Amino acid sequence: GENVEQHPSTLSVQEGDSAVIKCTYSDSASNYFPWYKQELGKGPQLIIDIRSNVGEKKDQRIAVTLNKTAKHFSLHITETQPEDSAVYFCAASMDFGNEKLTFGTGTRLTIIP
Amino acid sequence: EADIYQTPRYLVIGTGKKITLECSQTMGHDKMYWYQQDPGMELHLIHYSYGVNSTEKGDLSSESTVSRIRTEHFPLTLESARPSHTSQYLCASSWSGTSGNTIYFGEGSWLTVV
Repeated sequence: GENVEQHPSTLSVQEGDSAVIKCTYSDSASNYFPWYKQELGKGPQLIIDIRSNVGEKKDQRIAVTLNKTAKHFSLHITETQPEDSAVYFCAASMDFGNEKLTFGTGTRLTIIP
Repeated sequence: EADIYQTPRYLVIGTGKKITLECSQTMGHDKMYWYQQDPGMELHLIHYSYGVNSTEKGDLSSESTVSRIRTEHFPLTLESARPSHTSQYLCASSWSGTSGNTIYFGEGSWLTVV
């Protein structure tokens, strides 16, 4: 089955700087890659996703890039703010439904004021 | 905002007790899921459902059971709780169809078995 690795496990950045979280996946059939943000005591919330037919997607301060050849994708957060502090999870799935969504191990991002 | 609700949010119970975690969604989603998550760790799918009267086991083996009698309701039951069941349980839902449909998560139920 699919295996998703995520790095780093913890990340601290100064407010205003950029943060990058990287994930690799094992199954070349995967073609959907969402990113979730989980705040303390809450459920994960989708923040951005990308499909394998595009290489990059942007939504304000958040962007995701995908390299299908190398089987890795990354989350980029620019101009970080204190409210960006949370645990971020990447995930990957194949084409036939979310039940095959495999999550990475998570990155705890801390924004230092 | 997701309209998916879990109760109880926090529960401490004794070993051997039976517990049902409730999950309801008001979005009319046909697919529902239960994930198990230890603090700060990755999410593991334990059960999912394609619709009414459909239940499937996920990637992580679990002693819990689920039922789907109504579209909006997907309760999870532990017949005899053990300390190893201590964890956070997250309910989720989505539309079926092509991949990439957003999964909406509830706030989670924190279960502690003593």
